[in-house]
Amino acid sequence: AQSVAQPEDQVKVAEGNPLTVKCTYSVSGNPYLFWYVQYPNRGLQFLLKYITGDNLVKGSYGFEAEFNKSQTSFHLKKPSALVSDSALYFCAVTGSYIPTFGRGTSLIVHP
Amino acid sequence: GAGVSQSPRYKVAKRGQDVALRCDPISGHVSLFWYQQALGQGPEFLTYFQNEAQLDKSGLPSDRFFAERPEGSVSTLKIQRTQQEDSAVYLCASSLESTTRDYEQYFGPGTRLTVT
Repeated sequence: AQSVAQPEDQVKVAEGNPLTVKCTYSVSGNPYLFWYVQYPNRGLQFLLKYITGDNLVKGSYGFEAEFNKSQTSFHLKKPSALVSDSALYFCAVTGSYIPTFGRGTSLIVHP
Repeated sequence: GAGVSQSPRYKVAKRGQDVALRCDPISGHVSLFWYQQALGQGPEFLTYFQNEAQLDKSGLPSDRFFAERPEGSVSTLKIQRTQQEDSAVYLCASSLESTTRDYEQYFGPGTRLTVT
């Protein structure tokens, strides 16, 4: 069975500061890892993915994520947060073809 | 271009009523997923189609739930004899390829179902 843990229900950062949203996973075989963002009353939007290759993945809106196989983590990062980054963030892992999503982390960026 | 659309956006049903939720995926997308998202939770897999074939329905919570995609495009999720525990947001997502684990999914805005 595969699983995803997002240990923080909420992350608060000040605008301009770096942000990190944590994700750890468990899967048999090679992991296929994704981050999605959800704004109010909207569906999830794809941010970035790790399939293979370079452990540092760059995605939309200046976000990046680092795949760490030994720690089974895929933390989402951004060097300088914007107020408009405030949203709900979901990490997902796919071992076969069915993705498993974490519970989500609410990111609040205050001015 | 057009994204994934879902209708209705909101549905209130009395306990025991049947409901039908529609999903229009992105044109040409082979794979289609349905998810159930409870409040404060991530999406939970319900069922998966590759074109018109329903390849996996292991996530459907009971035999009251039924999904179809007869022409390989539009899909309908039907819930018979709705119960209060069916209240959730139902998300539809499509993906370009059949090898879905490599490819990101495109989500619709969801249908919020409230059973009273």
